[in-house]
Formats: sequence, C-alpha cells, structure tokens
Amino acid sequence: KAGVTQTPRYLIKTRGQQVTLSCSPISGHRSVSWYQQTPGQGLQFLFEYFSETQRNKGNFPGRFSGRQFSNSRSEMNVSTLELGDSALYLCASSLTGANVLTFGAGSRLTVL
Amino acid sequence: DQQVKQNSPSLSVQEGRISILNCDYTNSMFDYFLWYKKYPAEGPTFLISISSIKDKNEDGRFTVFLNKSAKHLSLHIVPSQPGDSAVYFCAASARREGGSEKLVFGKGTKLTVNP
Repeated sequence: KAGVTQTPRYLIKTRGQQVTLSCSPISGHRSVSWYQQTPGQGLQFLFEYFSETQRNKGNFPGRFSGRQFSNSRSEMNVSTLELGDSALYLCASSLTGANVLTFGAGSRLTVL
Repeated sequence: DQQVKQNSPSLSVQEGRISILNCDYTNSMFDYFLWYKKYPAEGPTFLISISSIKDKNEDGRFTVFLNKSAKHLSLHIVPSQPGDSAVYFCAASARREGGSEKLVFGKGTKLTVNP
C-alpha cells in the first residue's frame, strides 16, 4: 500500500510569506502528526490530528497551524515566515495515534 | 529542556562488529520507547520498540535494552553492515488517555559502518 505522501518536497520562501504543506496519510490511518526537524534541535513535535480534531500540540508559536480533512489528509500552515523556520517538516500517520508512526519523506522549507 | 538525549552525535564501527547506540531520558512518565532510522532525503523509518514493562526486545540483528532505574536505553546492532549507515533517533512517549501519543525525539546519532 502507498506510504505517507508529502507535497511539495522542496520549497523556497522569503521572510514574511506564508506556506502550506500537505500530507496524505496511509489509507485507513486516522491520526496525522507533524514534526519539525532542524540540525540543532532534532525532531520536534508540532501537533497531532485525529478525526479532524487537534488532539495534541507542541510548543510552537501560533504562526504554526494545521488542519485535517474528513479523508484524513492534513495540511499545516506557517504564517509570517522567519529565517528560523527553515527546516524539514515531517508528517507521520498511524491508525489511532497510539501506534508506531510511519513518516513521509518530508517537505524541506528554506526561508530566505 | 531536553527530555531525550543522545549524547553521541556520531559513531563509526567496522563491518561485522557490534554497534551500540545510547539514549538517556529524564521524564519518568515515559513508558514506551522506539528507535527510528533515517537515511538522507527520506523520512525516519521505525526500527524497534520496547515497553517499560520489559528490559529487552530483540528483532533479528537489532536488540534494544531498557534500564528504567538509570533511565537509559541502548540499541545494539550485531553484526553491523554498511547498509546500517544512517542517523538513528531514539524516541519516547507517555501514553495518554484517548490513545494520542506525542513522541519526544533525541537529536540523533549518525552511525557509519565501514567495510
């Protein structure tokens, strides 16, 4: 079966812009989590959605937001981009959120 | 504060020898631990996990050991192969009501297995 698909894979934005990243989970998986990976901080949890509801949230500013649709696909949005937002954004899905996560390949965001 | 620590950023071993990757945690509420492997340009892939009710879990060449009193876990790879060269992340979670898990990751250890 198809894995977790993230689009776009690479993108470049400038400071102050906003960006939307998309994630299609494995078919049947209802939980989608987002993580930010940077060289200095490793993987940090952003938020988790289950059945269109945000169930868990990490310590990121309100500029970071997300949503989940009825088909379990998820998007995350970052507004007013800062240089420090440059990172690999990883989406992961699981059946219920209480299982092993399957990650996508990530979306690499560069903010200039 | 970093709740999951991987103090060795890198490790180099010879093919056929044992690789030991270490991880320490500070949150005593963590009750489930996982190791993920990540190749460049790919997302992390699940390797092996262990529940806090166990002290060892084995899967082929990979064994994870958990020492709860020391809040320490380790991943042993025997024998190491060049294809094992990757970044290894340790992760931990505390089960929450409703099944939602937030994984807390370490910063990773880059393993290089030399032929």
